[in-house]
Amino acid sequence: QKEVEQDPGPLSVPEGAIVSLNCTYSNSAFQYFMWYRQYSRKGPELLMYTYSSGNKEDGRFTAQVDKSSKYISLFIRDSQPSDSATYLCAMTANQGAQKLVFGQGTRLTINP
Amino acid sequence: DAEITQSPRHKITETGRQVTLACHQTWNHNNMFWYRQDLGHGLRLIHYSYGVQDTNKGEVSDGYSVSRSNTEDLPLTLESAASSQTSVYFCASSDPSGGGTDTQYFGPGTRLTVL
Repeated sequence: QKEVEQDPGPLSVPEGAIVSLNCTYSNSAFQYFMWYRQYSRKGPELLMYTYSSGNKEDGRFTAQVDKSSKYISLFIRDSQPSDSATYLCAMTANQGAQKLVFGQGTRLTINP
Repeated sequence: DAEITQSPRHKITETGRQVTLACHQTWNHNNMFWYRQDLGHGLRLIHYSYGVQDTNKGEVSDGYSVSRSNTEDLPLTLESAASSQTSVYFCASSDPSGGGTDTQYFGPGTRLTVL
């Protein structure tokens, strides 16, 4: 069983919809949680970063962490065609340890 | 602007050949990483380095090697390329000494095909 599980999709939604992307994990030591966005034929880039449980909002994006359930989510409000990309969750146990464990990535398409 | 580059961007090679993929960053980051990305597996860590002369094995290190002789470069070598090593390879760097996030900055990737 993989340490981090993420539904690979693909997920296709109309423009303006609210998108929910999720990951589950098995290692209770994970404390730092990230979402990366990867456009086609590009490298991933950091989108959101959260520590421990709770919510973090940045514009149209909200990251949620529920450590008791070992479950993290990324919500995209008012989705735009430019949000079409693969979204990867990543996590690590120790700040500075730098060994990230990634989910498989979810391929998202926003249809105009 | 500081950046991270990879070369070549595309490479086709034959089974059994030695291949080296280059990674160069100009941020002066101590930490550098090599990942491979395959459908259904996401990003998997091959090797990583926390500084000059330091190298460590990741999750899928068999058949790969790295060396770190300076801060800027971490070349990845496939000793004897196999078809199972056909993949997209990403290099990344980070510097946690600045505090805050564990942000890794990724290069554009190298698409390797082993025939």
